[in-house]
Amino acid sequence: GENVEQHPSTLSVQEGDSAVIKCTYSDSASNYFPWYKQELGKRPQLIIDIRSNVGEKKDQRIAVTLNKTAKHFSLHITETQPEDSAVYFCAASKNSGNTPLVFGKGTRLSVIA
Amino acid sequence: DVKVTQSSRYLVKRTGEKVFLECVQDMDHENMFWYRQDPGLGLRLIYFSYDVKMKEKGDIPEGYSVSREKKERFSLILESASTNQTSMYLCASTEGRVEAFFGQGTRLTVV
Repeated sequence: GENVEQHPSTLSVQEGDSAVIKCTYSDSASNYFPWYKQELGKRPQLIIDIRSNVGEKKDQRIAVTLNKTAKHFSLHITETQPEDSAVYFCAASKNSGNTPLVFGKGTRLSVIA
Repeated sequence: DVKVTQSSRYLVKRTGEKVFLECVQDMDHENMFWYRQDPGLGLRLIYFSYDVKMKEKGDIPEGYSVSREKKERFSLILESASTNQTSMYLCASTEGRVEAFFGQGTRLTVV
């Protein structure tokens, strides 16, 4: 089955700097890659996703890139703010509504003011 | 606004008890999932269901079972709770290959 590796497990950045979180996946049939943000004590919420027919997607300060050949995708957060501090999860799934998301182990991002 | 609601935020149960965790979604989603969240291990899939009365094992089904008698409700059952099942349990629902909506989580402690 699918296996998703996520790095780093913890990341500290100064406010205003950029943060990058990287994930790799094992199943070449996977073609949907969402990112979830989980603030302390709250439920995970989708922040951005990308499908395999696209190489990059951007939403304000957040961007995701996908390299299908290398089977890796990354989350980029620019101009980080204290409210970006959270745990971020990447995930992957196949082109089937009945295929569950497989999650990475998460990255705890701390933005230091 | 999609709502996924888990019946309890916190539960404390004794070893050997049968435990029911309930999850209800209000968006007529076909697919529902139970994940377990532990520090450093991320979200691990226990069971999922893509239709009423259908269920599929995830990555860590041992010690758990599920029930989906109605489309909107997906229950996770711990047949005989053990201390190693102390964890945060998250329910989620999706419709096709789109955003998964999570419940608020149930923090279960087995003593």
